[in-house]
Amino acid sequence: AQKITQTQPGMFVQEKEAVTLDCTYDTSDQSYGLFWYKQPSSGEMIFLIYQGSYDEQNATEGRYSLNFQKARKSANLVISASQLGDSAMYFCAMREGYRSGGYNKLIFGAGTRLAVHP
Amino acid sequence: EAQVTQNPRYLITVTGKKLTVTCSQNMNHEYMSWYRQDPGLGLRQIYYSMNVEVTDKGDVPEGYKVSRKEKRNFPLILESPSPNQTSLYFCASRAGTGNIQYFGAGTRLSVL
Repeated sequence: AQKITQTQPGMFVQEKEAVTLDCTYDTSDQSYGLFWYKQPSSGEMIFLIYQGSYDEQNATEGRYSLNFQKARKSANLVISASQLGDSAMYFCAMREGYRSGGYNKLIFGAGTRLAVHP
Repeated sequence: EAQVTQNPRYLITVTGKKLTVTCSQNMNHEYMSWYRQDPGLGLRQIYYSMNVEVTDKGDVPEGYKVSRKEKRNFPLILESPSPNQTSLYFCASRAGTGNIQYFGAGTRLSVL
């Protein structure tokens, strides 16, 4: 079974609007971490935001926020006030806990390609 | 500037010709890892290292070797590359107790 599912292969958004990129995850661990990375066309992987499973507040980093719904096992990325430079591939990833043996790796989803239109 | 540096950025080679992709980090991180990225599959871990002389297999280790003789360096070795190893490769590092993995710029490898 997929551990990280990103159901939107591609998304379009108008500049200055907000957009939500979906991510659902599957783990039996109680302790885990969730990440979002951005990959622009130049290819590098840029860390955006992190949410720990025990964090009670949703993580925020500037225009990025992570909508963490633990019971639904979802960790959606919200980008507010989209900019042209936000056009990129976005990956959701999870790091599981020691119990599952997944502590030493990130498990990635297939990614969502976001296009921001002027 | 804190960074993970991979070289080369682009490489075209032929089947069977041994190659090494270098990775170096200047953040004194204990943990380093290699991933490959293929379309529709996201990134998958090849090997990782918890510290000097401590390495272990990830999810897709076949056809790859690694070594960790120094804390800052973690080269990826393809002893006999094959076309199915054509991919985009990333090196990453994080502090031993940290959560965030920092990635290099990637190495795009084509094996003909």
